[in-house]
Amino acid sequence: GAGVSQSPRYKVAKRGQDVALRCDPISGHVSLFWYQQALGQGPEFLTYFQNEAQLDKSGLPSDRFFAERPEGSVSTLKIQRTQQEDSAVYLCASSLYGQEWVSNQPQHFGDGTRLSIL
Amino acid sequence: AQKVTQAQTEISVVEKEDVTLDCVYETRDTTYYLFWYKQPPSGELVFLIRRNSFDEQNEISGRYSWNFQKSTSSFNFTITASQVVDSAVYFCALSEDNDMRFGAGTRLTVKP
Repeated sequence: GAGVSQSPRYKVAKRGQDVALRCDPISGHVSLFWYQQALGQGPEFLTYFQNEAQLDKSGLPSDRFFAERPEGSVSTLKIQRTQQEDSAVYLCASSLYGQEWVSNQPQHFGDGTRLSIL
Repeated sequence: AQKVTQAQTEISVVEKEDVTLDCVYETRDTTYYLFWYKQPPSGELVFLIRRNSFDEQNEISGRYSWNFQKSTSSFNFTITASQVVDSAVYFCALSEDNDMRFGAGTRLTVKP
């Protein structure tokens, strides 16, 4: 499809396990974003990539969270030693341009990965 | 720090009623962008509109209209003649640099 694709759609893990969430952005999109959405809340910014460069990771809640986009397309969000408070929907979004155009573009979102930590 | 407030947590209307979703924002920047997104039960956020801080013209798109007022830092969204398919969570968002900040959302239920 032409949209942002995220996998898996649902992930259940035991506390302490590591998880990896995948995002396939729209082809050719320069900017890629990760958000965390708690139940009943709006998405909270985690990190931003321009191509393969991670330009902003100020929203990552702890050093257990790590994101990469090694070839400037697919991105992976990894959470190590998961905790119950990590349970949320993780949304990925992409937009066409980078640099000074980032803030004025609509972001195209995937369906998200619902992560449940037991 | 930028902040977006959507004071209405939930709204319920009957089909064909008009409904307005409120959004108030805070920012120190003079250049910023405002967005509305719709999140249906499937979970994907769908882009509805973008407004930049220098353009206060109101916009109408079909049954949707937006009222941007810098004097009150508000960017309200009105749905005219609501339909059941409008039922979703609606988010207002403020963007500066690469940081998009969302409000907590308003859950709209349109009953037949």
